[in-house]
Amino acid sequence: KQEVTQIPAALSVPEGENLVLNCSFTDSAIYNLQWFRQDPGKGLTSLLLIQSSQREQTSGRLNASLDKSSGRSTLYIAASQPGDSATYLCAVSNQAGTALIFGKGTTLSVSS
Amino acid sequence: GAGVSQSPRYKVTKRGQDVALRCDPISGHVSLYWYRQALGQGPEFLTYFNYEAQQDKSGLPNDRFSAERPKGSFSTLEIQRTEQGDSAMYLCASSRTLNVNIQYFGAGTRLSVL
Repeated sequence: KQEVTQIPAALSVPEGENLVLNCSFTDSAIYNLQWFRQDPGKGLTSLLLIQSSQREQTSGRLNASLDKSSGRSTLYIAASQPGDSATYLCAVSNQAGTALIFGKGTTLSVSS
Repeated sequence: GAGVSQSPRYKVTKRGQDVALRCDPISGHVSLYWYRQALGQGPEFLTYFNYEAQQDKSGLPNDRFSAERPKGSFSTLEIQRTEQGDSAMYLCASSRTLNVNIQYFGAGTRLSVL
């Protein structure tokens, strides 16, 4: 059974710092991996999707990497801003078009 | 264009009552997914549809939970005889094709069972 773990559970940093969020999964036979952002009481916003054949994806200040063989992904956020404060969720799917399996998330707080 | 729409946004009900939660996916999206999220946890899969066909309902916790998507457009998640443990955020997502699997989420329905 696929399990997704995110470390740390919470993180507080001052504005301007670069930071890394970690995600690990137990079954390396994934189809793709997505990183999401969730603001309190709101739905999920997709940030980056990495197909199993890819190593990384970039969008603005965000960079996500994937090492499928070791079952790990990282989300790198450059020059953090207070507006980045949210919960970041990692999710994998094992087959095309099937359900996502989520970690519990990392709650990020960026202070000004 | 419009995103995934869920209604109601908030639902408060008494234990034992039945509730129905609605999801309108992005127009033209083939697949529709239901998830449940408890406080401080990641979303957990409930069920999903391709067009009107329910493909997987293995995540539904028991037979009080059911879902349908009769015309392949909107979907309804029904919970019968609600219990306090059903209180959670219920999230709906849709994806355009069967292969790419980028899922777009709605804002969710916050269900509180008193």
